Amino acid sequence: QVQLRVSGPGLVKPSETLSLTCTVSGGSISPSYWSWMRQAPGKGLEWIGYVHYTGRTSYNPLFSGRITLSADTSTNQVSLNLSSVTAADTAVYMCARQGGSYRYFDLWGRGTLVTVSS
Amino acid sequence: DIQLTQSPSTVSASVGDSVTITCRASESLSIWLAWYQQKPGKAPTLLIYKGSTLESGVPSRFSGSGAGTEFSLTITSLQPDDFATYYCQQYRRYVSFGPGTTVDMK
Repeated sequence: QVQLRVSGPGLVKPSETLSLTCTVSGGSISPSYWSWMRQAPGKGLEWIGYVHYTGRTSYNPLFSGRITLSADTSTNQVSLNLSSVTAADTAVYMCARQGGSYRYFDLWGRGTLVTVSS
Repeated sequence: DIQLTQSPSTVSASVGDSVTITCRASESLSIWLAWYQQKPGKAPTLLIYKGSTLESGVPSRFSGSGAGTEFSLTITSLQPDDFATYYCQQYRRYVSFGPGTTVDMK
């Protein structure tokens, strides 16, 4: 049974870079696409972008210039780096597997809360 | 970007009721719409994709319909496990989610 687990710091200072890792267990990151979403407290869902196991990426234009997604087949992980964070980036960050090449999400990790605060 | 609206924002229902949630898009999605269920503190789970295709393992009391700019999710014979928040999501261009509809107990 494939499971996703997001890990990383729960607290990041304003203007710094938020870095998270999604570890895939029970399966391989290939040949899938992997997306990141976030959900601010009490709010709806926001798509950040996706990374293919080959490293190909697509980003939500709202994050362009601040976001980098990557994939590592040797560790079976995908990673997110979001730079120049502000309090508005405080949210639960989740990773999810896409349904083939389509951008719907058939498997989600539980996510981790990241708070941006000094 | 493509905007999604959902109605109602909240629906109060009882076990056994039938509930329909509507999702409207700012432009045509063809059939590229999915529905998710989310419970507090948990990640969403996929219910429907491609407008009306039921995800494997999802009970048949869930159904999706629609195309273009108007879609609906219907839950027939509501069960206790179905009280949750439901989101639509388009994947016609990039990805965006609706604001959610909460189904709570009457």
